Amino acid sequence: QSALTQPASVSGSPGQSITISCTGSSSDIGGDNYVSWYQQHPGEAPKLLIFDVTKRPSEVSTRFSGSRAANTASLTISGLQTEDEADYYCSAYTSSHTLVFGGGTKLTVL
Amino acid sequence: QLQLQESGPGLVKPSETLSLTCAVSGDSIKSSRQYWGWIRQPPGKGLEWIGAIYTSGTTYYNPSLESRITISVDTSKNHLSLRLSSVTAADTAVFYCVRYTSMVPRWSDFYYIDVWGKGTTVTVSS
Repeated sequence: QSALTQPASVSGSPGQSITISCTGSSSDIGGDNYVSWYQQHPGEAPKLLIFDVTKRPSEVSTRFSGSRAANTASLTISGLQTEDEADYYCSAYTSSHTLVFGGGTKLTVL
Repeated sequence: QLQLQESGPGLVKPSETLSLTCAVSGDSIKSSRQYWGWIRQPPGKGLEWIGAIYTSGTTYYNPSLESRITISVDTSKNHLSLRLSSVTAADTAVFYCVRYTSMVPRWSDFYYIDVWGKGTTVTVSS
């Protein structure tokens, strides 16, 4: 299975909004609604940010939002904060009953 | 509070078999009716799904690794295990033990990961 495609890096200034894209196929991103996003700070395990394309676990800030158009999912972070600087990974449950991740995007808050 | 603790040798020789164990505390694998499994992350690289196992022992594996991996559970010890055979330097990674969730009450599947271990680093080198 091929990894989902994410930009290697994005950047933004505090207070701004950024969007990270994640492109796959009709067998993963464009299939069922089992698309998620994870945040990983250096030296730590990832943390679930978004599930079911658009939903947030209760403990996740409303500044994080997810969306999807066809075979591309997107993560938007509004009101950027310095603590948002991290790596972000998309993931999808595939029609073959496997999980696939994106290559990861490094967010730099300038 | 559910905690996952990975353990195993930090160094494995090429062509040998990597064996890791994950001790689960704060929940019973047998009664959980959940999926458990493993994710790995090579140094400086992204996450790679290894596989998932249900309480009953049903397994799902990454097709690219399937011929070399075995994931199992020992409900008497409340732990799960990973075996990866014929390792090469490309298998050097941080290995995470994880619990999967569907985020739907009373529905078990491995759509997402809601609990991660701290990870254990395995280096493949002679």
